[in-house]
Amino acid sequence: GQNIDQPTEMTATEGAIVQINCTYQTSGFNGLFWYQQHAGEAPTFLSYNVLDGLEEKGRFSSFLSRSKGYSYLLLKELQMKDSASYLCAVRDPFYNQGGKLIFGQGTELSVKP
Amino acid sequence: GAGVSQSPSNKVTEKGKDVELRCDPISGHTALYWYRQSLGQGLEFLIYFQGNSAPDKSGLPSDRFSAERTGGSVSTLTIQRTQQEDSAVYLCASSLAGANEQYFGPGTRLTVT
Repeated sequence: GQNIDQPTEMTATEGAIVQINCTYQTSGFNGLFWYQQHAGEAPTFLSYNVLDGLEEKGRFSSFLSRSKGYSYLLLKELQMKDSASYLCAVRDPFYNQGGKLIFGQGTELSVKP
Repeated sequence: GAGVSQSPSNKVTEKGKDVELRCDPISGHTALYWYRQSLGQGLEFLIYFQGNSAPDKSGLPSDRFSAERTGGSVSTLTIQRTQQEDSAVYLCASSLAGANEQYFGPGTRLTVT
């Protein structure tokens, strides 16, 4: 089966850096995704990792270690608008392309002034 | 361009009634996914379409749930004899064939009373 774990909630201060961790146990691996979801809105894509290492995109970076079944999302220079739920997901390894995403329960991040 | 659209945005129905939820994917996206998000839960996969066929229906929770897609575009998710546990936000996503990113619609909030 597939299992994805991430903390339920985190709090950080505006301007700071926060790291949201995600661990996964899957029968195979075909990519890991991070999505951001503001309350009452659709999830929006942040990042995709399929190889080990760090992918940087502006204030957001995502890291993957396949051997450890571990990823993190790093948010720098936090802004109040970054308060949202951050969803870690892995793609169903059965499909080479496409295929469902298997989501963790999400981490609710609150950014305080 | 237009994103994924879903209708209705909100639906309140009585237990035992049937409901239909509609998804219009981004034009040209051949892959379409249905997920649902219950209160305090992560996104749960329901069904995946590639064109008009559904290679993965493994997430449909019971035979009361069905979905179809016509013309490689619009999809309808039907829930028969709704139960209170069906109350959730139903999200649709689409992607280009072979693409990594799934684009989500705003969802339909279903409340079964």
